Order: sequence, then structure tokens, then C-alpha cells
Amino acid sequence: DTGVSQDPRHKITKRGQNVTFRCDPISEHNRLYWYRQTLGQGPEFLTYFQNEAQLEKSRLLSDRFSAERPKGSFSTLEIQRTEQGDSAMYLCASSPLTSGHEQYFGPGTRLTVT
Amino acid sequence: EDQVTQSPEALRLQEGESSSLNCSYTVSGLRGLFWYRQDPGKGPEFLFTLYSAGEEKEKERLKATLTKKESFLHITAPKPEDSATYLCAVQSIKAAGNKLTFGGGTRVLVKP
Repeated sequence: DTGVSQDPRHKITKRGQNVTFRCDPISEHNRLYWYRQTLGQGPEFLTYFQNEAQLEKSRLLSDRFSAERPKGSFSTLEIQRTEQGDSAMYLCASSPLTSGHEQYFGPGTRLTVT
Repeated sequence: EDQVTQSPEALRLQEGESSSLNCSYTVSGLRGLFWYRQDPGKGPEFLFTLYSAGEEKEKERLKATLTKKESFLHITAPKPEDSATYLCAVQSIKAAGNKLTFGGGTRVLVKP
């Protein structure tokens, strides 16, 4: 069990460009979450998948954001037409369907929009 | 709406100087309260889950307790390697998919 992995770890992009991040959860974890964290703040929930179904999206997730989990394994988060306000750490977490309710986080992708 | 407030925002301790961090919460039916540790530039690392008032959990120099309105994280005789941001989060029984609502964190610096 190698834990949750995210790629890339860092991304610098110009305003208006599209970016895509990938998350590989702990194997056999059915639930996958995306959070966003800005400097000095706690993570904020963005969206949640159970297997391949996206079951909840936060009001924070504007129509420029889209997330997928096509085969119920890895997930991608795409941001279209990036804005400077999108600069943040994007965190992915996973948890099993059964047992405890804790979520295990990946190392995050740091996005900087210039 | 679920809310979590952590205090203090920052804490400077001398090595060996015990202290407590506070997490106050309001939630529509608590499923669980979680403590995480986060080092700079890294993702949160899970520490504890507390489910009901009166429950306590311990791990090395850390001890978490829970009441109906708040949780405390006690750090006993801290060492420099305990320096990190400690995050508290709640999970509501009404939250679809068990999403977490986090507080702003407490940044702890332990000086040798």
C-alpha cells in the first residue's frame, strides 16, 4: 500500500490556460475526494466520488472545474480558463466504503497561476 | 452549516513545555471528529478519530479528547519534531459521502 499519489506536485500556468491534475487513491478505496487549500487555511471540500459516480459537488466548484473518475480508480481534476484566484494546493483523499470514516490524503498539487 | 474554529492560530513552545490546542465545532449531528497533522508543503496526515463525548485517544505525546462542543489536542513534553500545523475536522451524519469540514488549523513551533 503506497498511499494516495498525486501528479504533478507543482504546476505553474498562465492565466487563461487549462490544467489537469491526477490522483491515484489507495487501492480498493471506493471513495475519493478533492479539496482545495489556500495558504493559512484548512482544506475546503470540492467534490466526492463513490466508485465512478460523482455524488456531490461543492458550491466552490464553478463550471470551469470538472472532475472525473472514469473506471472507479484514478481521478482527474481539470480547471479551464484558469484565474489567479485558482492558485492553491489541490488535495486528493480516499477512504474505504466500510470500516472507519477517516480519509487519507495525498501530497497535493500546488497550482500557481501567473 | 457545519463550522469548526481552532485556537490559538499559532503556538510557540519550548521543548518539554506541554500545552493544549482547542477545536470548537457546530455540526448537524456528529459522525466523527478528526485530527490531522500537516507539515509544510505536504498533505494532511491522519492522527485520530473521536466519535462521542468523553472519548479519548492517545498516540505518543499526543492525546485527543472530545466533548459535545469542542475537542482538545494535548501535547505532552513536545519535541522539535512535533512542529507542524494541526488540523481539526468534523463529519456530519447529514453530509453526503462523509465530506470533512476543517478548521483553519493551529501552527505549532517547538523550539529546542
